[in-house]
Amino acid sequence: EDQVTQSPEALRLQEGESSSLNCSYTVSGLRGLFWYRQDPGKGPEFLFTLYSAGEEKEKERLKATLTKKESFLHITAPKPEDSATYLCAVQALRNTGNQFYFGTGTSLTVIP
Amino acid sequence: DTGVSQDPRHKITKRGQNVTFRCDPISEHNRLYWYRQTLGQGPEFLTYFQNEAQLEKSRLLSDRFSAERPKGSFSTLEIQRTEQGDSAMYLCASSSPWGELFFGEGSRLTVL
Repeated sequence: EDQVTQSPEALRLQEGESSSLNCSYTVSGLRGLFWYRQDPGKGPEFLFTLYSAGEEKEKERLKATLTKKESFLHITAPKPEDSATYLCAVQALRNTGNQFYFGTGTSLTVIP
Repeated sequence: DTGVSQDPRHKITKRGQNVTFRCDPISEHNRLYWYRQTLGQGPEFLTYFQNEAQLEKSRLLSDRFSAERPKGSFSTLEIQRTEQGDSAMYLCASSSPWGELFFGEGSRLTVL
């Protein structure tokens, strides 16, 4: 069964306290893995795409990495404005085209 | 702004009424997706268009739900005879040729 699991469900960090969010998946026909940021009441905002194991992408305080079965979103020295829900999605090729499977997200709170 | 736009942003209706949401995708994207999201959950796939063709529908999409994308441009999602369980955020996304989903701000439905 195609599944995307994110952990932890919620994470509270002090400002400047680095940590990592996990996304593990069991999806056949993987074409890519995506990270999104979602603020309350808004649509998800695209952050990164990763296509192959060993690939890394960086943006400001965020770095995403990919292995064969999971991805990590590393947050270095977070600030309160990094508080949001971070969603992971896996893209797979199906008969009808590209399909995306989302995890339930990690809610990050950064305390000043 | 050339992002994905959705209208209305918020709809409050009484049970049994019909509602329609509109999505205008990024103009060069030929793929359009509808998702539903409830509090604390990731987006759940509803349906997918490539140009004007509706290629896939989720089992979540009961016969009260219908979606169209005439002429392969904007799309509408209609819910007939709304139920309280339909209360959710309805998200539209369009896809670039490289696969990333770009989301609109969502249409929040509240069924009283």
